[in-house]
Amino acid sequence: AQKVTQAQTEISVVEKEDVTLDCVYETRDTTYYLFWYKQPPSGELVFLIRRNSFDEQNEISGRYSWNFQKSTSSFNFTITASQVVDSAVYFCALSEGAAGNKLTFGGGTRVLVKP
Amino acid sequence: KAGVTQTPRYLIKTRGQQVTLSCSPISGHRSVSWYQQTPGQGLQFLFEYFSETQRNKGNFPGRFSGRQFSNSRSEMNVSTLELGDSALYLCASSLGITGREQYFGPGTRLTVT
Repeated sequence: AQKVTQAQTEISVVEKEDVTLDCVYETRDTTYYLFWYKQPPSGELVFLIRRNSFDEQNEISGRYSWNFQKSTSSFNFTITASQVVDSAVYFCALSEGAAGNKLTFGGGTRVLVKP
Repeated sequence: KAGVTQTPRYLIKTRGQQVTLSCSPISGHRSVSWYQQTPGQGLQFLFEYFSETQRNKGNFPGRFSGRQFSNSRSEMNVSTLELGDSALYLCASSLGITGREQYFGPGTRLTVT
C-alpha cells in the first residue's frame, strides 16, 4: 500500500533562511505522481508542484525547488530565502497511476518563518 | 476562472443527524474528490467521482456517501453523525482522470455536538 512520511513535524526559521522539507514515499506502482501542497492558516490547500515517476529532473521555480530521487524514494522541497508569508503547513502527497486522482498525504510539516 | 467552491463553510450538527455538503468544481473539471482532515488522522481520501461515476473510495464506513451530477457538481452526505465526524471536509477538482494536480476548495468545517 502507498504511504507518505514527513518526518519533520515543525520547522522554525528566520526570514531569508532556506527551508528544506523532507518527504519519503512508498509505492509498488512504477507509475506514480508526487505533489507538494501548502495549507496556510485560512485552511485551503494550495497546489505547488507535481512530478511524475518517469521524470527525475530537478527544477527550480521561483523560490521553490525540489529534489526527486527514486533510489531513496524521496521528494524533498526547498523554499529559498523564506518569507513570513511562507508560514504554513506543507503536505507531500502521492498518487498512484492505477488509483485515479486519489491522493495519499503525509502528515504535514508546519513551517514558521519569523521576521 | 473561478476556483472550487464549497457550501456551507461552517456547519454545526447534533449526533445522529445527517448532513449534506456541496462542491462546485472549476469550470471544465470533471473529476471531483473529497477528503477529510482531522488533527488526529490528518488528510484522508473519501471518494472520487468522474463523469457521475464513483471511481475510487477510501476506507470510510457506509455512512459516508457521495454523488456527482451531470454538471460535475458533487455532494457528499454523512448519515447518523458521530462526534468523530467533526472535521474539515475538503473538495478538490481536477482536469484529468489520473495523476493531475488537484485544486482544492476552502472546505466545510463540520462540528458534531
